[in-house]
Amino acid sequence: QSVLTQPPSVSAATGQKVTISCSGSSSNIGKNYVAWYQQLPGIAPKLLIYDNDKRPSGIPDRFSGSKSGTSATLGITGLQTGDEADYYCGTWDSSLSTGMFGGGTKLTVL
Amino acid sequence: EVQLAQSGAEVKKAGESLKISCKGSGYSFRSYWIGWVRQRPGEGLEWMGIIYPADSDTRYSPSFQGQVTLSADKSISTAYLQWSSLKASDTAMYYCARPDYYDSGTFYVAYWGQGTLVTVSS
Repeated sequence: QSVLTQPPSVSAATGQKVTISCSGSSSNIGKNYVAWYQQLPGIAPKLLIYDNDKRPSGIPDRFSGSKSGTSATLGITGLQTGDEADYYCGTWDSSLSTGMFGGGTKLTVL
Repeated sequence: EVQLAQSGAEVKKAGESLKISCKGSGYSFRSYWIGWVRQRPGEGLEWMGIIYPADSDTRYSPSFQGQVTLSADKSISTAYLQWSSLKASDTAMYYCARPDYYDSGTFYVAYWGQGTLVTVSS
């Protein structure tokens, strides 16, 4: 049972927009920055967003992040079939002194 | 270029010990935290813990405290994850990861190892 709560699955059509939520608490998201990762089957996760809303070099601006209070959101516009993957939010929990991930959200592009 | 190269897949029996490794290159190994993430088959990502090689300061996730041991040898830029007695439930892919972790509240992983698959039979 993850401390960070994500919907198990989301879906949208090619070209459309989707959002994935991540809900935490005052000791994790409420106090620290949030990152988002994409994991394709069988390979290591890839960083999409860090520090709530920053994109690493090479990540297209179709991917965006935001945070408000103890929740964060990943947005993906212009959906492509290649975006089908599992998406995880992540942050640090200052009370537990550990990193943590959400349970993951499987994105299906119809 | 930052790289994290992990040791190969392992097949063990329950009760055996195991130590897997992760060698960092392309950066100052001693100056960045390095950690381990577990992913059981069909499940999500779980942080196990992180270690700072310069002084071996270690932060274990409560779920893994006492279950595994993290260590690092800065002289050979290598981090280790060790079990003294494996269980079938330890069967998983284990990723080493180099988090950017600062007191400002920043915590994210831009660099990941390729993963080490550990299979434990009962």
